Amino acid sequence: GAVVSQHPSRVICKSGTSVKIECRSLDFQATTMFWYRQFPKKSLMLMATSNEGSKATYEQGVEKDKFLINHASLTLSTLTVTSAHPEDSSFYICSAPTGKTPNEQFFGPGTRLTVL
Amino acid sequence: GQNIDQPTEMTATEGAIVQINCTYQTSGFNGLFWYQQHAGEAPTFLSYNVLDGLEEKGRFSSFLSRSKGYSYLLLKELQMKDSASYLCAVRAPYNTDKLIFGTGTRLQVFP
Repeated sequence: GAVVSQHPSRVICKSGTSVKIECRSLDFQATTMFWYRQFPKKSLMLMATSNEGSKATYEQGVEKDKFLINHASLTLSTLTVTSAHPEDSSFYICSAPTGKTPNEQFFGPGTRLTVL
Repeated sequence: GQNIDQPTEMTATEGAIVQINCTYQTSGFNGLFWYQQHAGEAPTFLSYNVLDGLEEKGRFSSFLSRSKGYSYLLLKELQMKDSASYLCAVRAPYNTDKLIFGTGTRLQVFP
């Protein structure tokens, strides 16, 4: 089946720094990828839709200048958390639709971000 | 908009059957998914329903009633490894790639 990878799996950073998370579709092309945030024991909250070759579409309440998304190729989307603060600490997961019926999402393994 | 509700937590015994319910309100129904997520891991696809009725896949079955805005995931012959969160998600009506997730149900299976 389709594989989506994320890097890094864990990152710890100081408050005020920026962190980049990569999401790759390894054996298929994805013109669209999705970025989610998940708090402990909570469900997935969609942050934004990453569109290859165009601007990302952000969900209501998500700061686009805070969470920069770049989808430069058909297999790579990046999420950069700028000027991270402790409240940005969370589990970030990306996904990509398979493009085949029923077009389920394949999810990356997630990135645990801890901001000190 | 979309609103998707699930029970927050459930417990069950190994070998038993458990039903996890999901109710949704959406401006245009276009398909419903169930995913399983173990703690700290990525969600994995379990099932998909777009028409009314029951879809069976081994120990797992999923049911849909579009008129009632209701789905359930049925897990039979529970095993300890079934302890996980189960996420119900509906497709966004205007974007078939986009999923809106419910609150998720954490299932704990006891021996």
